[in-house]
Amino acid sequence: QQKVQQSPESLTVSEGAMASLNCTFSDGTSDNFRWYRQHSGKGLEVLVSIFSDGEKEEGRFTAHLNRASLHVSLHIREPQPSDSAVYLCAMGAGNTRKLIFGLGTTLQVQP
Amino acid sequence: ETAVFQTPNYHVTQVGNEVSFNCKQTLGHDTMYWYKQDSKKLLKIMFSYNNKQLIVNETVPRRFSPQSSDKAHLNLRIKSVEPEDSAVYLCASSYGLGASYEQYFGPGTRLTVL
Repeated sequence: QQKVQQSPESLTVSEGAMASLNCTFSDGTSDNFRWYRQHSGKGLEVLVSIFSDGEKEEGRFTAHLNRASLHVSLHIREPQPSDSAVYLCAMGAGNTRKLIFGLGTTLQVQP
Repeated sequence: ETAVFQTPNYHVTQVGNEVSFNCKQTLGHDTMYWYKQDSKKLLKIMFSYNNKQLIVNETVPRRFSPQSSDKAHLNLRIKSVEPEDSAVYLCASSYGLGASYEQYFGPGTRLTVL
């Protein structure tokens, strides 16, 4: 069964410092990965979608994918207190027609 | 405004009751989904519909039934709720079918079963 593991479980950073989140997946057959953000009591907001090895930047959010290492990361440049939320990594394989989510990393950005 | 809308925001009910949640998307998408997010924040797909046809039906209990009147609406009915049904139910939609299409989520409905 395909699995997605996220680390760390929680992370506290100061405003303006880089925040780095990690996601490892169980096999290399997936062809697309996404990072979502979920503020408390709200739905999911897609931040970055990445489909090939390398880097993808969307504003202050940058994803790095290395399928050989079964790893995708998210880096948040100059985080602000409003970025405090749960960050979810999701892996999709086109033939299964579904996304598989990790348990999330809770990020707290202190002023 | 184009988005995914869900009602109600919260629902508290007793074991054995029937509940129904509504979802509407104004994005013009063909595919809609229901996810369950448990207390540990794990998100799991329950159902997906493409053009009103059920495509994916994960192994959810039979008391759960999706209902779609058109491409823009996908409701979820739970016939006789159990305590383990307490969770947040998230609706999503996408332009096409398959994990390669971007999914857009609603704000969720939080169900508490007493």
